[in-house]
Amino acid sequence: QVQLQESGPGLVKPSQTLSLTCTVSGGSISSTYYYWNWIRQPAGKGLEWIGRIYPSGTTNYNPSLKSRVTISLEKSKNQFSLKLTSVTAADTAVYYCARDLVRGVIGYWGQGTLVTVSS
Amino acid sequence: QAGLTQPPSVSKGLRQTATLTCTGNSNNVGDQGAAWLQQHQGHPPKLLSYRNNRPSGISERFSASRSGNTASLTITGLQPEDEADYYCSAWDTSLSAQVFGTGTRVTVL
Repeated sequence: QVQLQESGPGLVKPSQTLSLTCTVSGGSISSTYYYWNWIRQPAGKGLEWIGRIYPSGTTNYNPSLKSRVTISLEKSKNQFSLKLTSVTAADTAVYYCARDLVRGVIGYWGQGTLVTVSS
Repeated sequence: QAGLTQPPSVSKGLRQTATLTCTGNSNNVGDQGAAWLQQHQGHPPKLLSYRNNRPSGISERFSASRSGNTASLTITGLQPEDEADYYCSAWDTSLSAQVFGTGTRVTVL
């Protein structure tokens, strides 16, 4: 059973870059067929998909965030990461990393990590 | 990013049946169907159903269907533990993006 765990700073200053890492266990991040995703959820609000990456390095991003987002793989560490630039208070949310169960269906989720943007 | 539309809330009595809807378009729900997720407060979402399948361990009380651009999740024999937020999700082939529904809060009276 694949497991995912998010890590990174819980507090980021406005205008800076938010950086998170997702560590994968119970499976290889290099396995073909599955996409690795980032999703976020502001307190009391719904889910927002940020983007995904395939083991080949191919990415898809939420059009509304695309200019600020980079998702990358670190295969040697079985991790993938998220960078979100020029953050504002609106980027405060619980950030989840997740993997497809089957293509296009997100089935495995990390526990989530709260990131607060504040000076 | 265009999302999928869900009613904000549904309230039903214990052991009754609740039906949740999720409306998209021909590029997402109408094309590839929708997955359904359950989220309890303070916890990550859990996949309940996808493409007429239930993941291992999910109760048969949860069943999904689709008609055109609208997906539905039916919860039979409502239990107190079914009180949660429910989200639908689908891949949008036009946006090349995953889209989520606005979420429905289910209350068991």
